[in-house]
Amino acid sequence: AQSVSQHNHHVILSEAASLELGCNYSYGGTVNLFWYVQYPGQHLQLLLKYFSGDPLVKGIKGFEAEFIKSKFSFNLRKPSVQWSDTAEYFCAVNARYGGSQGNLIFGKGTKLSVKP
Amino acid sequence: DGGITQSPKYLFRKEGQNVTLSCEQNLNHDAMYWYRQDPGQGLRLIYYSQIVNDFQKGDIAEGYSVSREKKESFPLTVTSAQKNPTAFYLCASSPGDFGYTFGSGTRLTVV
Repeated sequence: AQSVSQHNHHVILSEAASLELGCNYSYGGTVNLFWYVQYPGQHLQLLLKYFSGDPLVKGIKGFEAEFIKSKFSFNLRKPSVQWSDTAEYFCAVNARYGGSQGNLIFGKGTKLSVKP
Repeated sequence: DGGITQSPKYLFRKEGQNVTLSCEQNLNHDAMYWYRQDPGQGLRLIYYSQIVNDFQKGDIAEGYSVSREKKESFPLTVTSAQKNPTAFYLCASSPGDFGYTFGSGTRLTVV
């Protein structure tokens, strides 16, 4: 069965620090990869996604992620975080079977707290 | 505006009662999903439906039931058999190829 691991449960950073959140998945085939963000009191929003092509994906609000197939990883990065980035971040994966997709499997999430 | 509407936003249930959470989409998506979110657990799949009149159990289906009589609608019933129903419930839809769209969620509390 597929699974998604997010290494950090809670990350605390000061403003302007660099961010990297780890995500590893277990599935040997072709996958779609996603990072979602949930700001306090708000619903889930898509930050970025990878389906194919350039493994370095740029998303909204200055976030990017790199797909490293050999490491089964899709880590999220941001060079300089802001207080407004305080949120919970979820990595998600689904398998691709030809033109269709499997169910979306989520990691347990990483809470990011940015100190002003 | 196309999207997913979940209602109500907040729901309170007495122990022993069944409650139904609504999920409606106007995106013309074939597939719909219900997830449960608990602190520190991420999102876990309850039920999903790839097509009208068909649905499948997800990872944590016990104590829940669904129906898919119309393409636009995928209601979730939390039954009295669900031992720990207090959670945040998210509905999603997908055209079946790439990407999911999520609703804004329903927070269910047992009182």
